[in-house]
Amino acid sequence: GAVVSQHPSRVICKSGTSVKIECRSLDFQATTMFWYRQFPKQSLMLMATSNEGSKATYEQGVEKDKFLINHASLTLSTLTVTSAHPEDSSFYICSATGQSSNTGELFFGEGSRLTVL
Amino acid sequence: AQSVAQPEDQVNVAEGNPLTVKCTYSVSGNPYLFWYVQYPNRGLQFLLKYITGDNLVKGSYGFEAEFNKSQTSFHLKKPSALVSDSALYFCAVRDSVDSSYKLIFGSGTRLLVRP
Repeated sequence: GAVVSQHPSRVICKSGTSVKIECRSLDFQATTMFWYRQFPKQSLMLMATSNEGSKATYEQGVEKDKFLINHASLTLSTLTVTSAHPEDSSFYICSATGQSSNTGELFFGEGSRLTVL
Repeated sequence: AQSVAQPEDQVNVAEGNPLTVKCTYSVSGNPYLFWYVQYPNRGLQFLLKYITGDNLVKGSYGFEAEFNKSQTSFHLKKPSALVSDSALYFCAVRDSVDSSYKLIFGSGTRLLVRP
């Protein structure tokens, strides 16, 4: 099956610093990648949709300058949390779908837990 | 607008008993329906999907789900629960006319299987 790798799985940073999370599709070309945020005991909140070679589409209420998304290739998308603050602490999950999936089945990374001190 | 409802925050069942996790949906066109499972501090794992064809869909780990168009439901079932099935389960839907591939997730149902 399709594999999506997400790195790092855990990261702790100081307030004010920036953190980059990578999402890679290992065995397929991901035309579209999605970034989600999950709060404790809650569902996934879609943050943005990322298409290779174009600007990400952000959901309402998500700060574009705060959460920078880059989808530079068909196998890599990155999420950079800029000037992180404690309220940005959360579980971030990426997912991807490929050109061959006309049903849009998503494959998920293992998630990245961000803790901002 | 697309939406998914999982009416139960938690489902408790004894090991060996059948389990059902409920899901209802709303879309404009035809639904593509999915079930995912999440273990603590992990991403989501795909269980099964309904796109077209037979209403009863069989998936991973012995799970199955039945698509009911008249009731707009897609309940997840398993004939005999295992303690290891304890996890968080998400139902998701995509409208077949939506080209964005965006999935709408339900709020999740925590399944607790007691020994």
